[in-house]
Amino acid sequence: EPEVTQTPSHQVTQMGQEVILRCVPISNHLYFYWYRQILGQKVEFLVSFYNNEISEKSEIFDDQFSVERPDGSNFTLKIRSTKLEDSAMYFCASTGAYWGYTFGSGTRLTVV
Amino acid sequence: QQQVKQSPQSLIVQKGGISIINCAYENTAFDYFPWYQQFPGKGPALLIAIRPDVSEKKEGRFTISFNKSAKQFSLHIMDSQPGDSATYFCAASIMNTGTASKLTFGTGTRLQVTL
Repeated sequence: EPEVTQTPSHQVTQMGQEVILRCVPISNHLYFYWYRQILGQKVEFLVSFYNNEISEKSEIFDDQFSVERPDGSNFTLKIRSTKLEDSAMYFCASTGAYWGYTFGSGTRLTVV
Repeated sequence: QQQVKQSPQSLIVQKGGISIINCAYENTAFDYFPWYQQFPGKGPALLIAIRPDVSEKKEGRFTISFNKSAKQFSLHIMDSQPGDSATYFCAASIMNTGTASKLTFGTGTRLQVTL
């Protein structure tokens, strides 16, 4: 079964540092997303991406965040200057032309 | 108005029993209601989903009941098994053709099935 692959699985970074979280969506999917989940809380939408541009972003997705699809396979989330409150699980997801998200296993980001 | 409220927060059910998790929404534009199962350290995995044109959908031991007038939907897990122990999230979305559709998640229910 096709998978969404995320790397790294765990990233520890110092406050103020830049991090890039990487995702390889399912190859024939058209829509790409980032969600985050603070420990023990619900999954929250960050941003959606379609046709090489952002479709929608949440209030969480401020100027410190950016997304990019640098080639035909990767989809990245960059946090420019990390804060302690950015510590969370970050999930990448993709969908095809029809419903049914596939989520990756996530990257646990720990900001110290 | 974008919220999805989920209850209970946690649930303990004996093996073989029925697990019931409830969700309520406010935004009447929502037209896709999936349930996700999440094991520790893993991403949410789609379990079952329903559109508002039907009141019930069953897949194996999992059933979604949908009440459009009350703006509520629920997940029933029949013959619950220890392997069902996980966190369950309801979600809702507006499925626009040709554009990405974000999911709004409920707060999650931690289910524990005991022997």
